[in-house]
Amino acid sequence: EAQVTQNPRYLITVTGKKLTVTCSQNMNHEYMSWYRQDPGLGLRQIYYSMNVEVTDKGDVPEGYKVSRKEKRNFPLILESPSPNQTSLYFCASSLRIMNTEAFFGQGTRLTVV
Amino acid sequence: DAKTTQPPSMDCAEGRAANLPCNHSTISGNEYVYWYRQIHSQGPQYIIHGLKNNETNEMASLIITEDRKSSTLILPHATLRDTAVYYCIVRVHTGANSKLTFGKGITLSVRP
Repeated sequence: EAQVTQNPRYLITVTGKKLTVTCSQNMNHEYMSWYRQDPGLGLRQIYYSMNVEVTDKGDVPEGYKVSRKEKRNFPLILESPSPNQTSLYFCASSLRIMNTEAFFGQGTRLTVV
Repeated sequence: DAKTTQPPSMDCAEGRAANLPCNHSTISGNEYVYWYRQIHSQGPQYIIHGLKNNETNEMASLIITEDRKSSTLILPHATLRDTAVYYCIVRVHTGANSKLTFGKGITLSVRP
């Protein structure tokens, strides 16, 4: 089954404790991205990747890092999480950049206390 | 970025067609119109997209006006499971990035 898998689905952590949210897709997609969703602000793009070893900032990259060492995986790293990073996070992938549908993961609800 | 405008909410009866409008008056010639939906807090789900011709798939139909300034998503026989937030998006391609810019969407409530 074609899918984007995120882990964990739920996470509560403390300020400053490094964490990684994993994202994996099994569709051989080139383009992957991370979004965060907050009430009243909609979904905002954090980082994206056009292909292996090619990543760039989206609209709200501060406090986040990503890597793309393999085509299927695109982890989101929070080196020193802060409470303002409490949010619902989605990973998405699509075959190419232009004019293809994006597949989203089921989301990771992160709470930083 | 071409912006989209959608009413905040609408409802329809189960089994009837749901017609969801979207305005995108500043859309440029090479921008596509996409529709996604989000059920509760699940990941957004792709529905359909189009450039200027009407499109239909197993989920819905997309009607785009001739001047491309507006479109309508049609769910032909709405069910309770279609209750969701529906996002009309104009796909932006800026350099190497083709992000999806989600607005507030329209909340569709399907009533029994």
